Amino acid sequence: AQKVTQAQTEISVVEKEDVTLDCVYETRDTTYYLFWYKQPPSGELVFLIRRNSFDEQNEISGRYSWNFQKSTSSFNFTITASQVVDSAVYFCALSEEAGANNLFFGTGTRLTVIP
Amino acid sequence: KAGVTQTPRYLIKTRGQQVTLSCSPISGHRSVSWYQQTPGQGLQFLFEYFSETQRNKGNFPGRFSGRQFSNSRSEMNVSTLELGDSALYLCASSSQDRGLDGYTFGSGTRLTVV
Repeated sequence: AQKVTQAQTEISVVEKEDVTLDCVYETRDTTYYLFWYKQPPSGELVFLIRRNSFDEQNEISGRYSWNFQKSTSSFNFTITASQVVDSAVYFCALSEEAGANNLFFGTGTRLTVIP
Repeated sequence: KAGVTQTPRYLIKTRGQQVTLSCSPISGHRSVSWYQQTPGQGLQFLFEYFSETQRNKGNFPGRFSGRQFSNSRSEMNVSTLELGDSALYLCASSSQDRGLDGYTFGSGTRLTVV
């Protein structure tokens, strides 16, 4: 069975601090896809990144970076030098190759960046 | 390019009524998925349509149904509304299978059942 765990319910940081959001997943599939989405107060989910299970390269995009480790089934997300605009709920999600074409979401982490 | 458009943004209905929500995907996207978001259950998959065919369905009662039209626009219908159906309903579209280009979500329809 598939499962995505985001153990951090809420995190508060002061502006310019770095913050890491944790994501641990469970799947029996050998081919799967991992996603991160940001949900600002407006409600829509904003796509941040997709990673497939065969690509363990870490990725950096501006102030965002992602660390994918299959050995620990983790796909963590780090924001460097956080800004107030980063305040949102962040969701990690899993899609399995052999399963239905849908996303299994974690419960989300609410990040508040204090100016 | 225009994003995923969901209408209406807000809706208030009475228990027992039925409701229809609409989703217009990004032009060229053939896959449309629906999700329900509640504080208690989080984000849960409802169903997915591709080329007018329902390919997958989540674990929801038969009161929840949907369809997709030839122009890829999709509607979801909830009949005999219950208080627990109050939620944010999100629609997502993708041009490729498995969301390889990343599913694009709309802003959602917030349904309140009273």
